[in-house]
Amino acid sequence: NAGVTQTPKFQVLKTGQSMTLQCAQDMNHEYMSWYRQDPGMGLRLIHYSVGAGITDQGEVPNGYNVSRSTTEDFPLRLLSAAPSQTSVYFCASSSDRDSGTEAFFGQGTRLTVV
Amino acid sequence: AQTVTQSQPEMSVQEAETVTLSCTYDTSESDYYLFWYKQPPSRQMILVIRQEAYKQQNATENRFSVNFQKAAKSFSLKISDSQLGDAAMYFCAYRGAGTSYDKVIFGPGTSLSVIP
Repeated sequence: NAGVTQTPKFQVLKTGQSMTLQCAQDMNHEYMSWYRQDPGMGLRLIHYSVGAGITDQGEVPNGYNVSRSTTEDFPLRLLSAAPSQTSVYFCASSSDRDSGTEAFFGQGTRLTVV
Repeated sequence: AQTVTQSQPEMSVQEAETVTLSCTYDTSESDYYLFWYKQPPSRQMILVIRQEAYKQQNATENRFSVNFQKAAKSFSLKISDSQLGDAAMYFCAYRGAGTSYDKVIFGPGTSLSVIP
């Protein structure tokens, strides 16, 4: 049982480059989210999805795109990376919207934009 | 706008003792969720406990319990019989319900050290 798997674990990008952070879960969870964590701060919600084909914006969506074509996968795309997007990114999932939160998190992706 | 405040940047506790981490929040909503997450040096986020605002009974999970005071907008976490593995950063978080489900606010965190 792999839980929530994020790839890559580390990434360095140049300003203006694009990339996709991958997130996959094998628990058949409907709810998935992307967060970023900056130094000395808690997590901030970027985008979330309540099921395949449905996505919505969180607190800090600018500069990021998401899609949810399957229940298992929820990739996060950076179309033109900026230094302000240097952060640690977490993907999370949950099986119960009524729980109000994601109970399972990936290990995080540390992204540096130079 | 909703806010979450953790007034204790750092706390320490002797092994086997009890420690309480404080959290206050501000919201105009009547229905919402509150959580405590643990983040050890491994960076993994771990859900410790959650509370639904409409439930008056305080949530408990083994050695972890909360003191939820809705009128005072306070949500403290008590860790009993502290263990070395409890050392971590603890985050208090708020999430709106219903149409406010996209409102997720994390506090700045409290770093907990456990002294052997």
